[in-house]
Amino acid sequence: DAGITQSPRYKITETGRQVTLMCHQTWSHSYMFWYRQDLGHGLRLIYYSAAADITDKGEVSDGYVVSRSKTENFPLTLESATRSQTSVYFCASNTVAGTGVFYEQYFGPGTRLTVT
Amino acid sequence: AQSVAQPEDQVNVAEGNPLTVKCTYSVSGNPYLFWYVQYPNRGLQFLLKYITGDNLVKGSYGFEAEFNKSQTSFHLKKPSALVSDSALYFCAVRDGDNYGQNFVFGPGTRLSVLP
Repeated sequence: DAGITQSPRYKITETGRQVTLMCHQTWSHSYMFWYRQDLGHGLRLIYYSAAADITDKGEVSDGYVVSRSKTENFPLTLESATRSQTSVYFCASNTVAGTGVFYEQYFGPGTRLTVT
Repeated sequence: AQSVAQPEDQVNVAEGNPLTVKCTYSVSGNPYLFWYVQYPNRGLQFLLKYITGDNLVKGSYGFEAEFNKSQTSFHLKKPSALVSDSALYFCAVRDGDNYGQNFVFGPGTRLSVLP
């Protein structure tokens, strides 16, 4: 099916463990994003990618790593999970017109991560 | 720097009444403005956007928004609210003149439509 998917949908892990959240989109959108959603903070950008092999930090990137070897995949890794990384994580993608206009983002269903 | 404010954490409205969810923004260049809706345990869904053109933008599910440049606002409206409109609403902005900037989201407004 076309769209943007995330896996797993729910994850419980222990402090100090490495966790990878997966994101896959079928539109061949050039841009992909990772956000975390926390009560009182709305959506905060963790990392984004403008194309395969091009990634850049957002406002809350500490403790996270991303890669993008293929256009359609954008995994997010928590290198050593901490309780403060308990959150709901959303992946998003969008495309850019030739004129440079950014179109709307499309969001995945989210991954609810709990770090104990 | 870009910023988005949604001054109301919660908006309550009776079914059938008009609703307004407020959004104000700050960008240095031309604003690209977006509204998204989030239902429980779901991702954000796009409602509508303003890039250029008419200040009144119509979107999904009967929603519309008015871009007001002088007041730097982009309020979301619907003439007649439905109980099913109850959800969390996010306003977002992007600086259209600054390619390096990203989307910035407001904190969200929870809309409750009472039967």
